[in-house]
Amino acid sequence: GAVVSQHPSWVICKSGTSVKIECRSLDFQATTMFWYRQFPKQSLMLMATSNEGSKATYEQGVEKDKFLINHASLTLSTLTVTSAHPEDSSFYICSATPRVRGGETQYFGPGTRLLVL
Amino acid sequence: QKEVEQNSGPLSVPEGAIASLNCTYSDRGSQSFFWYRQYSGKSPELIMFIYSNGDKEDGRFTAQLNKASQYVSLLIRDSQPSDSATYLCAVAWAGYALNFGKGTSLLVTP
Repeated sequence: GAVVSQHPSWVICKSGTSVKIECRSLDFQATTMFWYRQFPKQSLMLMATSNEGSKATYEQGVEKDKFLINHASLTLSTLTVTSAHPEDSSFYICSATPRVRGGETQYFGPGTRLLVL
Repeated sequence: QKEVEQNSGPLSVPEGAIASLNCTYSDRGSQSFFWYRQYSGKSPELIMFIYSNGDKEDGRFTAQLNKASQYVSLLIRDSQPSDSATYLCAVAWAGYALNFGKGTSLLVTP
């Protein structure tokens, strides 16, 4: 149980294009979904927190107009990197928290590697 | 500011030994404590969580929590080379998002 999927697992795109990454909780409803970014040999960096049906909360320094998050249902959140540039190349990981009382456990998706040329 | 501190390592232990990973946190109101493992190039996976003071065992893993001293540790018995990874400590106050430490790199040598 508590499986989170991400699609795609790999993206290579040209600079200036937009990329959409999907995060799905497969066997549970997620109260909250989180988006992280991780550069090589660095720690996880929380980008934003999203709750179903409401606007995402972005961490300081993360441009909300560049990283668009939509949490349309209790099982799906999407991250769109708009006008991607080489510096946006990174490992993007989502996580989801089950909709249970007191649930803070985050289950992570397998991640999406983005390479912007 | 809620801080979660871990020694970055690397912590090197021989195969078969006990690996001890430590984590301290600053927020006394923290209620939930988690250990994740992250292999290089992969996303984190949950090892175990603990809520109450004391020890919690799951197979070769034991989590230890001491709220008075504000630390949580993870013991890995009979360490194997496949345990080599970065171990992330995460702390939450009830109902709130996890605060992650930067992780400790563990290397188990054959």
